[in-house]
Amino acid sequence: VQLVESGGGLVQPGGSLRLSCAASGFAFSTYNMDWVRQAPGKGLEWVSYINKISSNIYYADSVKGRFTISRDNAKNSLYLQMNSLRAEDTAVYYCARDGGTAAEIDHWGQGTLVTVSS
Amino acid sequence: SYEVTQPPSVSVSPGQTASITCSGDKLGDKLPCWYQQKPGQSPVLVIYQSTKRPSGIPERFSGSSSGNTATLTISGTQAMDEADYYCQAWDSSTTCKVFGGGTKLTVL
Repeated sequence: VQLVESGGGLVQPGGSLRLSCAASGFAFSTYNMDWVRQAPGKGLEWVSYINKISSNIYYADSVKGRFTISRDNAKNSLYLQMNSLRAEDTAVYYCARDGGTAAEIDHWGQGTLVTVSS
Repeated sequence: SYEVTQPPSVSVSPGQTASITCSGDKLGDKLPCWYQQKPGQSPVLVIYQSTKRPSGIPERFSGSSSGNTATLTISGTQAMDEADYYCQAWDSSTTCKVFGGGTKLTVL
């Protein structure tokens, strides 16, 4: 199982960024997926969830209305479109695979750093 | 919104048993899981469905839960177990995954 995030970087407040996650080593289309973030020196914060067929999508209140999760099963890819970015969105963003039993995450990517600053 | 609470830090001597708790309303019903995160690394799942251990996780890691509390127990703690530990649950009423604030385990 390999999850490789990309797309992080420095962005100004109010700006946008699109994160991508390339999945390999497993049948991507059969797993639910998440984005989880971790601000520098802080704990883990769940961001968003998408099920196998994109019919169920959920967001943390802190990003609702600003972030959009999506996936392309044909490309084995997960995405996070982030708009209206704020300084408090600065974090390492992890792509994560659901284990499929009780909402646990059984595999994590290495993370990509998003910095929101002027 | 649903919340789960962990102690910020726990200390243990090498070879002893470490217990890290996680508290939340009816947490036991939510089949919580636990992650280990070492500095500069991604988290690793160590316990899921309250008590199950993924393949590759040493037997010294065990989990339990009842009522409002879940507990991660590390028996015969080793220096390599020094890390941050996070509990996590799924709250179906808000359709949110919830993480505890994390517990820093120090082995000294």
